[in-house]
Amino acid sequence: QKEVEQNSGPLSVPEGAIASLNCTYSDRGSQSFFWYRQYSGKSPELIMFIYSNGDKEDGRFTAQLNKASQYVSLLIRDSQPSDSATYLCAVRYSSASKIIFGSGTRLSIRP
Amino acid sequence: GAVVSQHPSWVICKSGTSVKIECRSLDFQATTMFWYRQFPKQSLMLMATSNEGSKATYEQGVEKDKFLINHASLTLSTLTVTSAHPEDSSFYICSASGLAGAAYQETQYFGPGTRLLVL
Repeated sequence: QKEVEQNSGPLSVPEGAIASLNCTYSDRGSQSFFWYRQYSGKSPELIMFIYSNGDKEDGRFTAQLNKASQYVSLLIRDSQPSDSATYLCAVRYSSASKIIFGSGTRLSIRP
Repeated sequence: GAVVSQHPSWVICKSGTSVKIECRSLDFQATTMFWYRQFPKQSLMLMATSNEGSKATYEQGVEKDKFLINHASLTLSTLTVTSAHPEDSSFYICSASGLAGAAYQETQYFGPGTRLLVL
């Protein structure tokens, strides 16, 4: 069974610091990796996706993928209180398969 | 781009009635739509996957006769909660992915969700 694991948190980070969120997955053949953000009471919104090993940067967000170690991470630079949310890691094995979601990490940015 | 809408955003109904929730992809054609349920402070739970023009695939433990899913077109899927009971009260969220070859197929985009309260 394909699984995606995340630490549930909460992860508390001071404002302005770097928040680091981690995720591991069980299926070595997984091809696509996603990070979603979900504010309390709202639906998830896509932050980034990554397919290749290495880093992918988008503004204050950097996704890092290491397929050999089967982990994917999300770095948030210059953390803001508005970044406080639950971050969902998601993994797709192939283009024809459904995305498997982790249970999410709750991030709290303290002023 | 990649906008998914849901209607209604809120619904309150009496126990025993049926409720229909619509999910629309506004700017792309969705070959596959997904329906999730989320209880307070809990993870997303996938209920079913629907492909345009075919029967939905339900996850284990989800009653297909209670949660009727129709995906009649490439832009619309509906979820009908039949004979709703208070334990069906939850946050129902749909998501959609696009046609083969389109960038949108690479991920799922979520609708804003529908909050259902059954009295």
